[in-house]
Amino acid sequence: NAGVMQNPRHLVRRRGQEARLRCSPMKGHSHVYWYRQLPEEGLKFMVYLQKENIIDESGMPKERFSAEFPKEGPSILRIQQVVRGDSAAYFCASSPTGTQPQHFGDGTRLSIL
Amino acid sequence: QKEVEQDPGPLSVPEGAIVSLNCTYSNSAFQYFMWYRQYSRKGPELLMYTYSSGNKEDGRFTAQVDKSSKYISLFIRDSQPSDSATYLCAVSKGGSYIPTFGRGTSLIVHP
Repeated sequence: NAGVMQNPRHLVRRRGQEARLRCSPMKGHSHVYWYRQLPEEGLKFMVYLQKENIIDESGMPKERFSAEFPKEGPSILRIQQVVRGDSAAYFCASSPTGTQPQHFGDGTRLSIL
Repeated sequence: QKEVEQDPGPLSVPEGAIVSLNCTYSNSAFQYFMWYRQYSRKGPELLMYTYSSGNKEDGRFTAQVDKSSKYISLFIRDSQPSDSATYLCAVSKGGSYIPTFGRGTSLIVHP
């Protein structure tokens, strides 16, 4: 999984706080995807971004969740007013184009107290 | 019915065995088929990627796709303890490349 960098690796928040998860794609990759993985469940797609644009956010909860991929800097997944149900592993993936296989980072494990 | 079905296992085999991992999918519009390996506390790692029906081989790994049956398989020859991981199948439609994942099969290869 070298190349796609996610930080922090572990994040602990109390209910009601904000969580910010960062993802730097592989060099040369301009397409970024965010997934959520819950225990006993598969990876669930959340949002697909290309530099400065949201291409597909069909998997994002309508409230409290947002994502961006600015012209400069990493992609950010932001969760406002976190609740216990937000506890999960969040993975970022990148690809050079929108039609090639994705490469994943090692995830951010979010725990809500 | 889930779009991709995969037995979660665990599947336990002795070292050196041939392993067969399988998935079924429900939508004939899926055209791309992938297998990912995920070690504990790590992200998924792309193992195999194929577009067509038939077999694709890479070292000890063979991916097999049967579009008529909507059935995909991953075979691992001469399995090693280092192959112990969760294996995720994934499928996607042509055009926008957002795969749908199975829940993964846990494989344990014991010495």
